Amino acid sequence: AQRVTQPEKLLSVFKGAPVELKCNYSYSGSPELFWYVQYSRQRLQLLLRHISRESIKGFTADLNKGETSFHLKKPFAQEEDSAMYYCALKKYGGSQGNLIFGKGTKLSVKP
Amino acid sequence: NAGVTQTPKFQVLKTGQSMTLQCAQDMNHEYMSWYRQDPGMGLRLIHYSVGAGITDQGEVPNGYNVSRSTTEDFPLRLLSAAPSQTSVYFCASTREGYNSPLHFGNGTRLTVT
Repeated sequence: AQRVTQPEKLLSVFKGAPVELKCNYSYSGSPELFWYVQYSRQRLQLLLRHISRESIKGFTADLNKGETSFHLKKPFAQEEDSAMYYCALKKYGGSQGNLIFGKGTKLSVKP
Repeated sequence: NAGVTQTPKFQVLKTGQSMTLQCAQDMNHEYMSWYRQDPGMGLRLIHYSVGAGITDQGEVPNGYNVSRSTTEDFPLRLLSAAPSQTSVYFCASTREGYNSPLHFGNGTRLTVT
């Protein structure tokens, strides 16, 4: 079964501390993985995708097929990073928009 | 550029009532979908459409109906509202193609009493 697991409901760190939001997936084949973010009072938006191997707002995420993980990392958290983060997996054989979302992790960055 | 527009933003219904949540996009995206967001459950796909005249069920379709008569619009109908349908509903669209991101609307917060 295709599944996305985000084990932490809430992650609280202090400003300047490193951040790692965990995401594990279950999938046969080559997965397409994404991180979406929802800031307070804003719409859900794409943060980054694994295929691009990009860094957005200081965040990176590396696909580890051996551990079936796609953890989101940032070396120095900022208060404006406080938001809800969702890891998502494109459903096998599905349309581009058919994503399976994890339950989300709420990141709180304290001053 | 409006992107994905959802109306209404808030709605309260009584059990058994019906209503339609509206969604429109102006990006000429082929794909549109509806998700519901519940605490501790993440986002779950209700219905989706890959083009005008084509719709299909997602993970949690029961109690909801959709149609896609135009590329721009993808309304979600609640046939007979139930308290279990209290949720935040998001409409999303994307262009069919490798690695295209989903564009989300602002959401509709629905309460069924």
